[in-house]
Amino acid sequence: GAGVSQSPSNKVTEKGKDVELRCDPISGHTALYWYRQSLGQGLEFLIYFQGNSAPDKSGLPSDRFSAERTGGSVSTLTIQRTQQEDSAVYLCASSLVLRQGGWNTEAFFGQGTRLTVV
Amino acid sequence: GNSVTQMEGPVTLSEEAFLTINCTYTATGYPSLFWYVQYPGEGLQLLLKATKADDKGSNKGFEATYRKETTSFHLEKGSVQVSDSAVYFCALSDGGSARQLTFGSGTQLTVLP
Repeated sequence: GAGVSQSPSNKVTEKGKDVELRCDPISGHTALYWYRQSLGQGLEFLIYFQGNSAPDKSGLPSDRFSAERTGGSVSTLTIQRTQQEDSAVYLCASSLVLRQGGWNTEAFFGQGTRLTVV
Repeated sequence: GNSVTQMEGPVTLSEEAFLTINCTYTATGYPSLFWYVQYPGEGLQLLLKATKADDKGSNKGFEATYRKETTSFHLEKGSVQVSDSAVYFCALSDGGSARQLTFGSGTQLTVLP
């Protein structure tokens, strides 16, 4: 596609429910990232995919958070048993990986999913 | 680990004023440096970047120079416009095993007519 697409754009859910957030990266981009932007704060790294594998899951805040990527394309971030502190904008980004061990290309961001847990 | 320290906001300027938003970083290796902008109601957009020391990134009248000796990448614009009102994020990528962007906390800029 022309850009990174995220859905839904807005999601309101009740505390304790599970939610799934979807990211469709730019075609051909092998790297995919999830970030979280809480109100008044910067971007918090959650997880990174290279192809379908996630070499870096260090940012996932708890075991309620998980993510997968299939076919080297679409990724889904799942939050189980949502809590109010999960309310944030969840951003997805994708980029090319130019060469093994080093890349200096920019990431392209989607518009985000605004999650509100009530 | 990598880190980016960004000037605290919010910053409020009058139209045509000079803008500087400070950014310093800590990284291993030779990072690339970026400024991203987030306009109200929109997603993050890359504003400019620099991939090696002494490079100057520029776009839409904004400039930032990669200063390795001071580990800085300050954003400047000579004459801001109301339409520049946004949140600005400094970021780095070190191209190493982390393979992720490390962001500063963002600086809210408001330009008044």
